[in-house]
Amino acid sequence: DVKVTQSSRYLVKRTGEKVFLECVQDMDHENMFWYRQDPGLGLRLIYFSYDVKMKEKGDIPEGYSVSREKKERFSLILESASTNQTSMYLCASSSIAGPNTGELFFGEGSRLTVL
Amino acid sequence: SQQGEEDPQALSIQEGENATMNCSYKTSINNLQWYRQNSGRGLVHLILIRSNEREKHSGRLRVTLDTSKKSSSLLITASRAADTASYFCATDYGNNRLAFGKGNQVVVIP
Repeated sequence: DVKVTQSSRYLVKRTGEKVFLECVQDMDHENMFWYRQDPGLGLRLIYFSYDVKMKEKGDIPEGYSVSREKKERFSLILESASTNQTSMYLCASSSIAGPNTGELFFGEGSRLTVL
Repeated sequence: SQQGEEDPQALSIQEGENATMNCSYKTSINNLQWYRQNSGRGLVHLILIRSNEREKHSGRLRVTLDTSKKSSSLLITASRAADTASYFCATDYGNNRLAFGKGNQVVVIP
């Protein structure tokens, strides 16, 4: 069974802490994504990567950075967590399908609370 | 950024009834996808319809796409309590990424 695994389901951090959210996929997918999900706002794209060491800003990259050192792993980093980054974070992956974006496979999500 | 917008935002129906949700978008797309999310979980892909397709079926799901109206609909027939979830449309506007709508919460009452 294909799988996207997010390292932590629930995290509680303090303002100013550095936070790492890890995501691993076992499908050899080229594309990986980080979204955040907030009530009433739906899913918003933070960053995505279409190859190792490549990254592209999404719609809300401010306050975040990412790392993709290996094809299967995509990390989201909050350099200095703030309370407005309290949210559900969803990682996803997909394979390249020509000019089209194919099906996304999602992890179970990481619910981050920043106090 | 472009986003699909689902309508209605919330739907409550009796088991066995059909549930219909609509999604509108703003500019041309490569494809449109529907996802489902159970409470507190990740999203699961349901169906993808390409811009040159008008209708697609998968089990009890039927999706239509009207590119002239820039809209799509998702029909769930003979709903079950297990269909209770949030449903999202997502539009592919190129660059290997999707834009998601805000979601549509469906409650199926046993």
